[in-house]
Amino acid sequence: EVQVVESGGGLIQPGRSLRLSCTASGFTLDEYAVTWVRQAPGMGLEWVGYIRGKTFGGTTDYAASVKGRFSISRDDSKTIVYLQMNSLKTEDTAVYFCARGGGWFDPWGHGTLVTVSS
Amino acid sequence: DIQMTQSPSSLSASVGDRVTITCRASQRIASYLNWYQQKPGKAPKVLIYDASNLQSGVPSRFSGSGSGADFTLTISSLQPEDFATYYCQQSYSTPLSFGGGTKVEIK
Repeated sequence: EVQVVESGGGLIQPGRSLRLSCTASGFTLDEYAVTWVRQAPGMGLEWVGYIRGKTFGGTTDYAASVKGRFSISRDDSKTIVYLQMNSLKTEDTAVYFCARGGGWFDPWGHGTLVTVSS
Repeated sequence: DIQMTQSPSSLSASVGDRVTITCRASQRIASYLNWYQQKPGKAPKVLIYDASNLQSGVPSRFSGSGSGADFTLTISSLQPEDFATYYCQQSYSTPLSFGGGTKVEIK
């Protein structure tokens, strides 16, 4: 079964760092882009960024709201994609989803909640 | 950046109704438009990709149309399990972007 599973969320103070993981199974990770999308409580979906597959050099792209603070990397040997989040702000509070794909996204993980609060 | 505008933001409908949701892009995006369904507390699920392609396993009562800047998601006969929030998303250029969502509620 093709699936992705997020982990690493939790309660974190403003200004601190947190790393989320997206573990893939059922497909060859390096052939695909992986995207991060977040959803603040009661709000819509916001694209965070993605990392392209090996064929496209594994390059990354980010939303303006996180550029310079967040970074995405991948360890294809471990079939994990990471979202490193630095200098966290209260407005980063959201459920973070990872999903396979860089254009349309399928499948999605169940999400992991990140709460940024003092 | 491309802005995606969905309408309506919410609607009430009955089982068996035909439902249409529209999505407009702030610039032309060819057919790079995808539709998702999200139920409360769950991850989104892709229904339609590239404007009109039905994802495998999605019921045929869902269909998508449009190209350029104007797109439509149609549910031909609303079923109880279709009450959810629907999002469009453009994949034409980064930053990728979603519409604000359309909540389909029971009348």
